[in-house]
Amino acid sequence: SAVISQKPSRDICQRGTSLTIQCQVDSQVTMMFWYRQQPGQSLTLIATANQGSEATYESGFVIDKFPISRPNLTFSTLTVSNMSPEDSSIYLCSVGREGEKLFFGSGTQLSVL
Amino acid sequence: SQKIEQNSEALNIQEGKTATLTCNYTNYSPAYLQWYRQDPGRGPVFLLLIRENEKEKRKERLKVTFDTTLKQSLFHITASQPADSATYLCALNSGTYKYIFGTGTRLKVLA
Repeated sequence: SAVISQKPSRDICQRGTSLTIQCQVDSQVTMMFWYRQQPGQSLTLIATANQGSEATYESGFVIDKFPISRPNLTFSTLTVSNMSPEDSSIYLCSVGREGEKLFFGSGTQLSVL
Repeated sequence: SQKIEQNSEALNIQEGKTATLTCNYTNYSPAYLQWYRQDPGRGPVFLLLIRENEKEKRKERLKVTFDTTLKQSLFHITASQPADSATYLCALNSGTYKYIFGTGTRLKVLA
């Protein structure tokens, strides 16, 4: 199992600003995932972060908007840049092995005014 | 395109009854199907995983069935309790790191 600490738990931000979300895992993991959960929608994978390499982004998500860092095997950050109200969502950090269960952080509830 | 459908309407049932949630998918051949529970303000929590060659999986009061011909999974909670009230998500995986999630079904167990 894995315990994931994610912060902040929630934030209210102004349009045009950026927010960095932190994710700390209690054990070393190869892959970390960032998801977005918009109101009434399913979880959507933003990107996969591997330590020592560039993050891999899913279709519809770009590095300039969602830069990710993965400095070591237990930590990652996701930045939501130049925010607009459309970025209001829950952002979730996750870890897991291929084909196995995922462990999630408690999420960051972001509201952009 | 790949699609997962879960009943978006809330399911209300009486305490003690069996709750049955449905997950249907199209244009996908999953190797695994998983169910997660999500409480408000929390991340999803893993409940059960069933493989494509398995028909049924049980864990305590939970039971999952997987019919790859119908492209459907059923998730049952027997002897339901108010504490079972939450949103339940279905997720598909083809054996890679990428999962596809349904929108979830909100279950409310009435005391």
